[in-house]
Amino acid sequence: DAGVTQTPRHEVAEKGQTIILKCEPVSGHNDLFWYRQTKIQGLELLSYFRSKSLMEDGGAFKDRFKAEMLNSSFSTLKIQPTEPKDSAVYLCASSTPGLGGRGLYFGSGTRLTVL
Amino acid sequence: AQSVTQPDARVTVSEGASLQLRCKYSYSGTPYLFWYVQYPRQGLQLLLKYYSGDPVVQGVNGFEAEFSKSNSSFHLRKASVHWSDSAVYFCVLSAQGGRALIFGTGTTVSVSP
Repeated sequence: DAGVTQTPRHEVAEKGQTIILKCEPVSGHNDLFWYRQTKIQGLELLSYFRSKSLMEDGGAFKDRFKAEMLNSSFSTLKIQPTEPKDSAVYLCASSTPGLGGRGLYFGSGTRLTVL
Repeated sequence: AQSVTQPDARVTVSEGASLQLRCKYSYSGTPYLFWYVQYPRQGLQLLLKYYSGDPVVQGVNGFEAEFSKSNSSFHLRKASVHWSDSAVYFCVLSAQGGRALIFGTGTTVSVSP
């Protein structure tokens, strides 16, 4: 089975630009997560979907970050407008819900640099 | 409030030596606990998980972890480390009911030859 696929692997943006990161979860997984990872803050939850419905969003990220699940096999994370402090690795993960299914499968991440 | 604490930001061990990484959690209910590993420039990979039953759980690559409800801990161990075990290790908590995961800050392990 294919794992979680994230594209692009690297993204460089100018301050103020709009960028869209993409994620394809593991086939059959109903839960999808977006995390931001930095050395200082560690992993921070941006969004959590279950069966395409938004279950949680990281409150601090609401204003410029928007995640969507267009269908069960594709999700995007839009950052608009970007700021230098958004420079981080963005990780997408998926899992199956329910007892015993709470291990997450992570993608390799998108490293975003905002100049 | 739920939280995970990994008190050691960095651990250095010699190849062949044993390793223990500490993890303490705070949660009033029954936790789901995980250890993940992140190799350089890669995503996180699941090492092992605990839901219930035997408090000692076995994972991949010779890792095991022990759950202690009385100590609110879930420490990770390996009897003999290899240079390829150099990575960042995350202890993770999931509350019952399917909420998203809470990550510790991670412990960077460096294995010296």
